[in-house]
Amino acid sequence: DTGVSQDPRHKITKRGQNVTFRCDPISEHNRLYWYRQTLGQGPEFLTYFQNEAQLEKSRLLSDRFSAERPKGSFSTLEIQRTEQGDSAMYLCASSQPGDYGYTFGSGTRLTVV
Amino acid sequence: KQEVTQIPAALSVPEGENLVLNCSFTDSAIYNLQWFRQDPGKGLTSLLLIQSSQREQTSGRLNASLDKSSGRSTLYIAASQPGDSATYLCAVHLNTGKLIFGQGTTLQVKP
Repeated sequence: DTGVSQDPRHKITKRGQNVTFRCDPISEHNRLYWYRQTLGQGPEFLTYFQNEAQLEKSRLLSDRFSAERPKGSFSTLEIQRTEQGDSAMYLCASSQPGDYGYTFGSGTRLTVV
Repeated sequence: KQEVTQIPAALSVPEGENLVLNCSFTDSAIYNLQWFRQDPGKGLTSLLLIQSSQREQTSGRLNASLDKSSGRSTLYIAASQPGDSATYLCAVHLNTGKLIFGQGTTLQVKP
């Protein structure tokens, strides 16, 4: 297992288009998290899953955002009707419950033009 | 509401210096604390995890301490090298599973 994988690495889209990102966590990790990071800021929590259950969503996650983890393995984050303010790095992380740290992926850089 | 602050926001030092990065948090009821490194345009690399029952962790030239009662953590980097240039992020683990991040300290080590 090579760690947390995210795809694509970069995405440029026109305003109003829908985009979908994928995250593959470390296989034995049952928790999966999505964060968003804008330039010069620390990452902000969006949502997280334990297995296939979505346990918490941030108020940052507007109605245009949806996340799924259908079989408790990989996860997708979809943004509908993208806006320029959605331009950011979208980071995925996974962990095991207990005193374990998070492992982050390399992120997906979204640019909305 | 938990807030995490990192000071300084930016730091430039000559190669070989020892340096300290500071992180403070407003609510001492944290689970763990983790330090990350981020290179420009890249994801986060975990450096050190301090579990709730621990007071410090060491890895190579890095040492991180945690004082929950005062709401502080420090990351000490010994004998800094140009390859240490990056942004260093402090994050507290809440018992709900979320991480709350500081804004980071951007370090430049000059040869």
